[in-house]
Amino acid sequence: DAGITQSPRHKVTETGTPVTLRCHQTENHRYMYWYRQDPGHGLRLIHYSYGVKDTDKGEVSDGYSVSRSKTEDFLLTLESATSSQTSVYFCAIGTSGDSTDTQYFGPGTRLTVL
Amino acid sequence: AQSVTQLDSHVSVSEGTPVLLRCNYSSSYSPSLFWYVQHPNKGLQLLLKYTSAATLVKGINGFEAEFKKSETSFHLTKPSAHMSDAAEYFCVVSDYGGSYIPTFGRGTSLIVHP
Repeated sequence: DAGITQSPRHKVTETGTPVTLRCHQTENHRYMYWYRQDPGHGLRLIHYSYGVKDTDKGEVSDGYSVSRSKTEDFLLTLESATSSQTSVYFCAIGTSGDSTDTQYFGPGTRLTVL
Repeated sequence: AQSVTQLDSHVSVSEGTPVLLRCNYSSSYSPSLFWYVQHPNKGLQLLLKYTSAATLVKGINGFEAEFKKSETSFHLTKPSAHMSDAAEYFCVVSDYGGSYIPTFGRGTSLIVHP
């Protein structure tokens, strides 16, 4: 257990509503990542952060925004949820951010958009 | 550019028989390669990683993988499967492509029969 929590763990919402997922770490690591996991696609990167207020887009960033105002928290927001955003969302942390970096994953949030 | 291909979406073995999960990669630089395991309804956990040291890498729970540059492969093996090995396995490649963002394979589901 790498000291990563995600909240909520499960959420059901309706199309068009805003949703915020929270990732919290106790390790004080610089790098944090948001992924989504869908059957047949593995994990795809949504956004990542390399420090407080420093974020960048990943492979599937459309429809998502992030914020990191403190080292320990990385928030993922769906401004207006759509059914295509039904997925399992994983947060991860990294220590060095280089190619050898091991990522440590949270337990995931299962989001259903009706 | 980097990419990774897991050659089997599902692998089925009997308990006590060898396990082989296949992974091929493409990388423009000297890559790092990882295998992660995901048990049902859990986050991902590192099994092992290659970072340009010994080409035969030993991981947790009796798994190992061999980096073969000439074949661009990083196959995961275990001599004898256990029921607890049933899970989803992800091969991951990371190199410097402007940033060290890892690329995940689509996953291989390992099924272990008693």
